[in-house]
Amino acid sequence: EVQLVQSGAEVKKPGESLRISCKDSGDSSVIYWISWVRQMPGKGLEWMGRIDPSSSYINYNPSFEGHVTFSADTSIRTAYLQWSSLKASDTAMYYCARGNNTNWFWFDPWGQGTLVTVSS
Amino acid sequence: IVLTQSPATLSLSPGGRATLSCRASQSVSYLLAWYQQKPGQAPRLLIYDASNRATGIPARFSGSGSGTDFTLTISSLEPEDSAVYYCQQRSNWLTFGGGTKVEIK
Repeated sequence: EVQLVQSGAEVKKPGESLRISCKDSGDSSVIYWISWVRQMPGKGLEWMGRIDPSSSYINYNPSFEGHVTFSADTSIRTAYLQWSSLKASDTAMYYCARGNNTNWFWFDPWGQGTLVTVSS
Repeated sequence: IVLTQSPATLSLSPGGRATLSCRASQSVSYLLAWYQQKPGQAPRLLIYDASNRATGIPARFSGSGSGTDFTLTISSLEPEDSAVYYCQQRSNWLTFGGGTKVEIK
């Protein structure tokens, strides 16, 4: 079974840095594009962008570009989402997701989510 | 592209039929998907390419439409179908609709 396993919940202060992870535990040798999706408390879904771990090619949603950084380590099949200086408005659930068997942009499966809380 | 979902909330009885709408601000062709999200869970892909059911999705879920108007139909509702449903387009960049909450009472 294909699974994306994300790192645990984080509580941080404004201005701190953070990196969360998403591991593809599938047994395929294929490295798939990984997208990141934000869900603020009680709100809908926002696509943040995607990374091709094989080439490190990245597309950022302009709404997030400059505030977050995507990276990946293909040797351990893990993608990362990173902030250098968190804001209270970054408080949200963050999901990673992989494309289904047809295209990178139909998301299946999803990780279980990482809750990030930023508070002074 | 802005996706507008209606209604915001739908309250129905078990065994009933739910019809959810997603309207795009411009044509997305057939490049639309539907997701189900239950409280405390990640979203789950139900429908992609407007009308194709994802792996393992029951036949009571069906999608239709093209261009700017799309519909997700859930026939013979079950209590476990209580969730928020989102549409998503991929024609121009990638955006989600605001969601429709389905309550089964």
